[in-house]
This record gives sequence, C-alpha cells and structure tokens, in this order.
Amino acid sequence: GAVVSQHPSRVICKSGTSVKIECRSLDFQATTMFWYRQFPKQSLMLMATSNEGSKATYEQGVEKDKFLINHASLTLSTLTVTSAHPEDSSFYICSARVQSNQPQHFGDGTRLSIL
Amino acid sequence: AQTVTQSQPEMSVQEAETVTLSCTYDTSESDYYLFWYKQPPSRQMILVIRQEAYKQQNATENRFSVNFQKAAKSFSLKISDSQLGDAAMYFCAYSRIQGGKLIFGQGTELSVKP
Repeated sequence: GAVVSQHPSRVICKSGTSVKIECRSLDFQATTMFWYRQFPKQSLMLMATSNEGSKATYEQGVEKDKFLINHASLTLSTLTVTSAHPEDSSFYICSARVQSNQPQHFGDGTRLSIL
Repeated sequence: AQTVTQSQPEMSVQEAETVTLSCTYDTSESDYYLFWYKQPPSRQMILVIRQEAYKQQNATENRFSVNFQKAAKSFSLKISDSQLGDAAMYFCAYSRIQGGKLIFGQGTELSVKP
C-alpha cells in the first residue's frame, strides 16, 4: 500500500517550454503533497507544500509564478515549470501523506533536462 | 528554525560488517519525528526507520537500528551485517508532529565493499 506515482520519469525539452509533472497517490487519499528539488549529490530541498483545494505554500526563495502547483483532488497534484530554462534542470520529487502524523510516501522522481 | 546535520559525506563498510551513520539536529520542540531515508542510485526515496521523540525506546527494523539521544539531539543509524544492496545515499530527516515538513540533512553516501 501507500504507492505514489510520479509522471513523467524523464523530460528533455527546449528552453522556453512549460513542463507539467504529475504526482498521484494510487491507493490512498493524500490531504497534503510536497514537492522537492534535488541537485546531483545534494539533499532534497522542499519547494512547496500543497493541500487539496487550497493554494500551495511556497518555501522562501521559490518563485510561485515559475513553479505552479495545483492540488485539485485528494489523489493528484501537479507541478508546472513555466518557461523552463537550463537552470531549472534538476531532479524533482513529490511526496504525499494522509495526515500530519503519518510518514510521507515518495514518488520515483522526474529528471528534467532543459536544453 | 530546525536544522539537521550529517557530518559524514561518505562512509565505507565491508560486507557483513556493521556501520554507524551520524546525525545531529536542532529544535526547540519537545515532541517531533526523526527519520532515516535511503536513496539508492535509482533515486527512489525509501523510508528505513522512524523514531518518535516521546518514545525513549530506540526504533529497530531488521538490520537497521537507531541510537536516539534526545538530550544530545543525536540520532545515529546502525546497519548490521551490511549487504551490497545497502549501498546508497542515506538522509536523516526531522519533522514536527503537526505540519510535518521534512527537513533533511546533507546526506551520507555509503559504499559497501565485497
């Protein structure tokens, strides 16, 4: 149980393109989802916290107009990287949990490469 | 603000031996969660073990156990009988009881020698 599916696993696209990444909880309802960014050999940095039906809460330094997050249902959150540039190339990981005293379950991540 | 520190960027262990990964944290909260996550080359995040701060007993999960020293704000992970499949990046993480944002340490890359 507690499976989180993230899609796509790999994206390569041209600079200026907008890219959407989906995060789905397959067998549970996730009241909260999280989006992280990870550079090579570095730790996970939280970008934003997404609660179903409300606006995402962004961490300091994360541009909300650049990284659009939508959590339209209890099983789906999306991250859209708008007008992506090479510096946005990174590994993006989502996680989901049922409630605050439960562990987060992670997706397998998306490797984004902007040419 | 809460912080998590892993002071060992890399560790190495011989297969079948025991290794301990260090983690310290800082918080003013009295109750919280601590975690160890494993990230193999596939980059999937795998929960290894979770500790609740109000529980004095150290958590264990098969070959994995922790040494939780609340007063010292220390949370080390011991891996016994190391296996080749244990080779990965290991992250220590903290979260408050309510809110639950995970704060990760810098990570320790563990290699296992056959």
